[in-house]
Amino acid sequence: AQSVTQLDSQVPVFEEAPVELRCNYSSSVSVYLFWYVQYPNQGLQLLLKYLSGSTLVESINGFEAEFNKSQTSFHLRKPSVHISDTAEYFCAVSAGFGNEKLTFGTGTRLTIIP
Amino acid sequence: DTEVTQTPKHLVMGMTNKKSLKCEQHMGHRAMYWYKQKAKKPPELMFVYSYEKLSINESVPSRFSPECPNSSLLNLHLHALQPEDSALYLCASSQGLAGGLEQYFGPGTRLTVT
Repeated sequence: AQSVTQLDSQVPVFEEAPVELRCNYSSSVSVYLFWYVQYPNQGLQLLLKYLSGSTLVESINGFEAEFNKSQTSFHLRKPSVHISDTAEYFCAVSAGFGNEKLTFGTGTRLTIIP
Repeated sequence: DTEVTQTPKHLVMGMTNKKSLKCEQHMGHRAMYWYKQKAKKPPELMFVYSYEKLSINESVPSRFSPECPNSSLLNLHLHALQPEDSALYLCASSQGLAGGLEQYFGPGTRLTVT
């Protein structure tokens, strides 16, 4: 079984400042890793994912995440945040084979301060 | 079209009522999901359908009854619910059940049980 830990439940950041949202996972098998974003009163949207290959993955809106196998981490970063980035961010993992479910972390609430 | 639609957006029901939630996608996806999300919590998987057959039931109480009439539609029938069942109910779909496939989420139905 897999598990995901998001240690920071809330992260306040000033507008245009950098941010890092931390995600650590636990699994005895290879995994796929995801970051989903949930804007207020909406469903979840995929932000980015790591399946294989380059350990640095990027989204179209300036976020990036780096898969670190030795540290079992998949931290999300953005060099300069905007008010529109205010949302709940969920890290998720699924096993690298078979009909596996998504296991979500508890989420990090990112609040951008003007 | 990468949209998953859900109706109704909001639903208030008494504990003796029977109601249904509806989910629809036209992306040709063969896997569909129901999740329950309480406030400030991650989504919890309830049911998974693959090729219109129930694949996973996460030990959900029988007062929740899923139905997949065709590959584009997913229903969740509700009967004799409890106040603690009040939550955001999210539907999602994916191309299949293989790990690594993106799940597309609908905006959810916010259910209040009185």
